[in-house]
Amino acid sequence: GAVVSQHPSRVICKSGTSVKIECRSLDFQATTMFWYRQFPKQSLMLMATSNEGSKATYEQGVEKDKFLINHASLTLSTLTVTSAHPEDSSFYICSARDKTGGAGSPLHFGNGTRLTVT
Amino acid sequence: LAKTTQPISMDSYEGQEVNITCSHNNIATNDYITWYQQFPSQGPRFIIQGYKTKVTNEVASLFIPADRKSSTLSLPRVSLSDTAVYYCLVGDTPGRLQAQLWSRNWSGGYQKVTFGIGTKLQVIP
Repeated sequence: GAVVSQHPSRVICKSGTSVKIECRSLDFQATTMFWYRQFPKQSLMLMATSNEGSKATYEQGVEKDKFLINHASLTLSTLTVTSAHPEDSSFYICSARDKTGGAGSPLHFGNGTRLTVT
Repeated sequence: LAKTTQPISMDSYEGQEVNITCSHNNIATNDYITWYQQFPSQGPRFIIQGYKTKVTNEVASLFIPADRKSSTLSLPRVSLSDTAVYYCLVGDTPGRLQAQLWSRNWSGGYQKVTFGIGTKLQVIP
């Protein structure tokens, strides 16, 4: 089945530093990938839609200068949390849809990245 | 705006069949219904997807009535390992995808999907 690899799975960083999270589709190509944030005991909240070769589309309230998204190829999207603060600590998840998938193709999710900012 | 509504939580004993119903009164003609499962500290995992009537795979069944305003995920003979959060998502898939935003304003877009609150299923020994 389709696999999405997300790296790292856990990261601890100091306040003010930047952290990059990678999302790779291993056996399919994805024109579009999605980035979510999930706080404890809450649902996933869509942060942005990453489009290959173009700028990401951010959801309302998500700072694009703080959460930099790059979708350089059909198999890789990165999310960089810049100047991280403790309130950015959360579980970040990416997902991707196979670009060749027809009607009914589901999303494939990475296993998430637990970010802790100290 | 096809907002979804699910029970927040459910309990079930091992070996029982569990049915989780999702309401989506404003589902659009092109919308598919997809269910995902999420374990703590993991990304969601696809379970099943359907458009109408009944769909069955090795994991679950999905029942969709003729009006498509609701859907029911059926898990046969649950085990402790089925304890998880189950999300019902509604969105059209063919070609350009429209998005429904849970508790947000409609904004459209290409292949955006937003999750509802989900149903936390607790399986009891």
